[in-house]
Amino acid sequence: GAVVSQHPSWVICKSGTSVKIECRSLDFQATTMFWYRQFPKQSLMLMATSNEGSKATYEQGVEKDKFLINHASLTLSTLTVTSAHPEDSSFYICSADPTGNYGYTFGSGTRLTVV
Amino acid sequence: LAKTTQPISMDSYEGQEVNITCSHNNIATNDYITWYQQFPSQGPRFIIQGYKTKVTNEVASLFIPADRKSSTLSLPRVSLSDTAVYYCLVGDFDNTDKLIFGTGTRLQVFP
Repeated sequence: GAVVSQHPSWVICKSGTSVKIECRSLDFQATTMFWYRQFPKQSLMLMATSNEGSKATYEQGVEKDKFLINHASLTLSTLTVTSAHPEDSSFYICSADPTGNYGYTFGSGTRLTVV
Repeated sequence: LAKTTQPISMDSYEGQEVNITCSHNNIATNDYITWYQQFPSQGPRFIIQGYKTKVTNEVASLFIPADRKSSTLSLPRVSLSDTAVYYCLVGDFDNTDKLIFGTGTRLQVFP
């Protein structure tokens, strides 16, 4: 089946540094990918919609200068957390729909810890 | 996108059938109903999707009444490995439509 690969699985970084998370569609093309953030015991919160060849669309309250999204090709979207702070520590997940039939596939997630 | 309401949590025992109901009173004509399962520290996994009546696959069944204002995910004979959070989503999901997750239902299966 369709696979969305997300790397790294976990990352620890120091405050003030930047971290890049990659999301790849392995066997399909994705003009649109979605980025979520999830805090412990909470639901997924949509951060932004990544669009191949154009600017990402951010949800209300999400700082676009802090969470940089690049969708450089039909199989790769990246999320860069800039100047990370401990409050950015969270579980980040990407997703895409390989079929157009509403069966969205999710990456395995990235656990970010900022110390 | 239609708002959904689910129980926050449910408990069950191994071997029992579990039914999780989701309310979506404002569902639109073109909306589909989709259920996802999420284990800790993993991305959600698609379980089942339906538009009306009943849908069954190797994992679960989805029951949707005629008015489509609710739906019930049925998990037959649950095991400990079914302990997870289950999300009900409703929307006209073309492949550019965003998925908005509600609170989900935390299912705990006991031995």
